[in-house]
Amino acid sequence: EADIYQTPRYLVIGTGKKITLECSQTMGHDKMYWYQQDPGMELHLIHYSYGVNSTEKGDLSSESTVSRIRTEHFPLTLESARPSHTSQYLCASSTLGGRTYNEQFFGPGTRLTVL
Amino acid sequence: SQQGEEDPQALSIQEGENATMNCSYKTSINNLQWYRQNSGRGLVHLILIRSNEREKHSGRLRVTLDTSKKSSSLLITASRAADTASYFCATGLSSGGNEKLTFGTGTRLTIIP
Repeated sequence: EADIYQTPRYLVIGTGKKITLECSQTMGHDKMYWYQQDPGMELHLIHYSYGVNSTEKGDLSSESTVSRIRTEHFPLTLESARPSHTSQYLCASSTLGGRTYNEQFFGPGTRLTVL
Repeated sequence: SQQGEEDPQALSIQEGENATMNCSYKTSINNLQWYRQNSGRGLVHLILIRSNEREKHSGRLRVTLDTSKKSSSLLITASRAADTASYFCATGLSSGGNEKLTFGTGTRLTIIP
């Protein structure tokens, strides 16, 4: 079982609220990722980080922001939640590989519903 | 359109039968990975095949890769009810020494007891 945790697992919140989705891993992985996945659909990469103080936007534009102050922690923040942000958010991590191809370890996900 | 597209979108088979899922992609890759996702959960890595490999086995799983056709297949033999899940292929491509994965659309597999 991969040691990557996400909290909360489920969140129902009203429009306009600020939310932070937490993601932590205890594997010492340098790389971390956030994906957005609508039910029954593919994953879209929205943010990634290759290490402390490194953050990049992914392939899918997102109004969320991320920070990477500690290796093990990669929180995602929405300053003002909207119904269009309703989705499942998956956090993942992997080791720095360069030319080594590594699997990604996924957390259980946070299912966000914005009313 | 998607880098990885899977076929079929959904598949239902009897327990004990073999299940085959296909993945097609558009650009050159370094590797291709298959993941399983149980309903409402995160993904679990199943198997990775490098671009210079043609076939790989892991337990009841067999993966093939044809880079000339830009396609891969995942075969699950002797299926079990616990294999019911969505299966995603993900293509890996290095850029600047780092690798990102692009996920396909997924195949929803249902094993009928």
